[in-house]
Amino acid sequence: NAGVTQTPKFRILKIGQSMTLQCAQDMNHNYMYWYRQDPGMGLKLIYYSVGAGITDKGEVPNGYNVSRSTTEDFPLRLELAAPSQTSVYFCASSETPNYGYTFGSGTRLTVV
Amino acid sequence: DAKTTQPPSMDCAEGRAANLPCNHSTISGNEYVYWYRQIHSQGPQYIIHGLKNNETNEMASLIITEDRKSSTLILPHATLRDTAVYYCIVRVVEYGNKLVFGAGTILRVKS
Repeated sequence: NAGVTQTPKFRILKIGQSMTLQCAQDMNHNYMYWYRQDPGMGLKLIYYSVGAGITDKGEVPNGYNVSRSTTEDFPLRLELAAPSQTSVYFCASSETPNYGYTFGSGTRLTVV
Repeated sequence: DAKTTQPPSMDCAEGRAANLPCNHSTISGNEYVYWYRQIHSQGPQYIIHGLKNNETNEMASLIITEDRKSSTLILPHATLRDTAVYYCIVRVVEYGNKLVFGAGTILRVKS
C-alpha cells in the first residue's frame, strides 16, 4: 500500500521563486491536511480539506495556497518563497475526523 | 480544543514498560484523547485514541482516568526503535476539526 506520497523529498529554492509540493493518497480518504514543522518544533497546520472542492485555512496559511480538484491529490503552492518558509512539510489524510491520520514522509524545503 | 501538558523528556530501559503521562484537566465531555509519535525525521505515526474507556491495540495501551483529566500511554515492552517524540492531543471529533500538535515528550529508550 502506497498510503500518502509526497514529492519531492528535498528542494532548495531561491527567494522569490515558486513551487508546488505534491501530495497524493490512494486510500480514498476525504480529509487531507498540510502541516509544516520547523527545526525542534511541533507541527503547525497550514491548510486542510474535507473533500474535493473544499479547502480551509489552518493556523499558518499566509504565503501558501492549496487546491483539491480530486479526492486523491492535495497540492500545496508557494508563490513567493521566503527564508521563513524553510521547513519540513508533511501531508496527511484521514478517512473521517475520528480516524487516525496517515502522514507522508515529508518534503524538506530550504529557501536561500 | 483542550490544552495538554506533557513532560518534555523521559528515559526508559529497553524491555521495560514505558509509561508516558498526559494532563488534560480542562478536557470537555466530547473531546477524545489521541496519541501520535514521531521518529526522527519521519512523519508522525498514529498510535491510539480513546474517549472514556481504556483502549489497547497492537502498539500500546491507553489508560484514561475516571475523571478524564489525565491519561497514560503505555508501551509494554519498549525497544530502541520506540525512541521518538510522543504527542498527546485532545480534540473534538467533528466535521472539519483538525489535529493540533503541541511540544510532546521525547522518549529515549536505552539499552
